[in-house]
Amino acid sequence: GQQLNQSPQSMFIQEGEDVSMNCTSSSIFNTWLWYKQDPGEGPVLLIALYKAGELTSNGRLTAQFGTTRKDSFLNISASIPSDVGIYFCAGDAGGTSYGKLTFGQGTILTVHP
Amino acid sequence: EAQVTQNPRYLITVTGKKLTVTCSQNMNHEYMSWYRQDPGLGLRQIYYSMNVEVTDKGDVPEGYKVSRKEKRNFPLILESPSPNQTSLYFCASNRQGFRYEQYFGPGTRLTVT
Repeated sequence: GQQLNQSPQSMFIQEGEDVSMNCTSSSIFNTWLWYKQDPGEGPVLLIALYKAGELTSNGRLTAQFGTTRKDSFLNISASIPSDVGIYFCAGDAGGTSYGKLTFGQGTILTVHP
Repeated sequence: EAQVTQNPRYLITVTGKKLTVTCSQNMNHEYMSWYRQDPGLGLRQIYYSMNVEVTDKGDVPEGYKVSRKEKRNFPLILESPSPNQTSLYFCASNRQGFRYEQYFGPGTRLTVT
């Protein structure tokens, strides 16, 4: 099946630093999504991207839908301790009515105060 | 409060002993899904349901069963659990037309010995 490669697998940063992570695929996706999972919780949708080249922000988070439709990027500016968690990219290749998502392996983010 | 609930949250069982993990949503969503989360593999879809009495296999359906007799409930059944089904399980739901805004439950951590 389709696979998404997410990198880096983990990040250890100081509070205030900016964070970048990305996701690549061998096939084209019509939609890219970014989720965050807090410890002991289920994933929560952060940003949804629907168009190649689209750049969308949600507070300190900015995500981009790559122009090749095979990649996406998430940036977090001025990180704070509550940014800790696992970040997942997910993509939908289309062809279903309900949106079948393929998830990346996740990026574990640790923020040191 | 709009939510997806799962029970139990934690379960330790033995090989071959049938078990059911319940999932319920109070948002009147048409679509529901089950995922399993394993380290380094992200979330992989087990089964999904597009509405009452309509279910289909996801990416990793072997060893699992589901049913959708009521719109709000989508139980996951392991007829004969095996150790390789030790994992963290998430139920999710979303509304028709809002297919990417999946709401996830809090997760069920299953250990099969």
